[in-house]
Amino acid sequence: GAVVSQHPSRVICKSGTSVKIECRSLDFQATTMFWYRQFPKQSLMLMATSNEGSKATYEQGVEKDKFLINHASLTLSTLTVTSAHPEDSSFYICSASVPGLARAGELFFGEGSRLTVL
Amino acid sequence: AQSVTQLGSHVSVSEGALVLLRCNYSSSVPPYLFWYVQYPNQGLQLLLKYTSAATLVKGINGFEAEFKKSETSFHLTKPSAHMSDAAEYFCAVSPFSGNTGKLIFGQGTTLQVKP
Repeated sequence: GAVVSQHPSRVICKSGTSVKIECRSLDFQATTMFWYRQFPKQSLMLMATSNEGSKATYEQGVEKDKFLINHASLTLSTLTVTSAHPEDSSFYICSASVPGLARAGELFFGEGSRLTVL
Repeated sequence: AQSVTQLGSHVSVSEGALVLLRCNYSSSVPPYLFWYVQYPNQGLQLLLKYTSAATLVKGINGFEAEFKKSETSFHLTKPSAHMSDAAEYFCAVSPFSGNTGKLIFGQGTTLQVKP
């Protein structure tokens, strides 16, 4: 149980275009999902918290107009990188928490999406 | 505020040797602590977690970790390394009171296993 799936796993785009990454919880409902960014050989940096039916909460320094997050249903959150530039190239990982004390605080991660902007 | 420090960005052991990955945390409230493993180009997989129950936590793949409040540590160990253990390992902390799933990660430790 508690499977999170991310798509696409790899995407290459031209500078100036927009890219959408999907994150789905397959066997549970996720009212909250989290989007992380990971640079090569570095740790995960939380970008934003995605809340179903409401606006995402962005971490300090993350441009909300650049990284659009939509959480329209209990099983799907999307991250759109708008007007992508080479510096946006990175590994993006989504995660979700499972409601209930048994899995309190625990996150389940998607497979990650590697974005390369040419 | 919470933070995590992993001592040693790179650890190399021989196959069959003890694995020890170090993690120290800082938290103003009783923490939840986690160890995750990441294989290349993949997401993170939970190895084990501490949530204020037993201080010695056993996880998957033969890993375990011990919560030591006096040392603010949560080191990860495995008695005998396998080649398949080579990966990136992350220690993470979450505030006890917040079942929010928001985790703060350490810098990560790359484990290399030599034949």
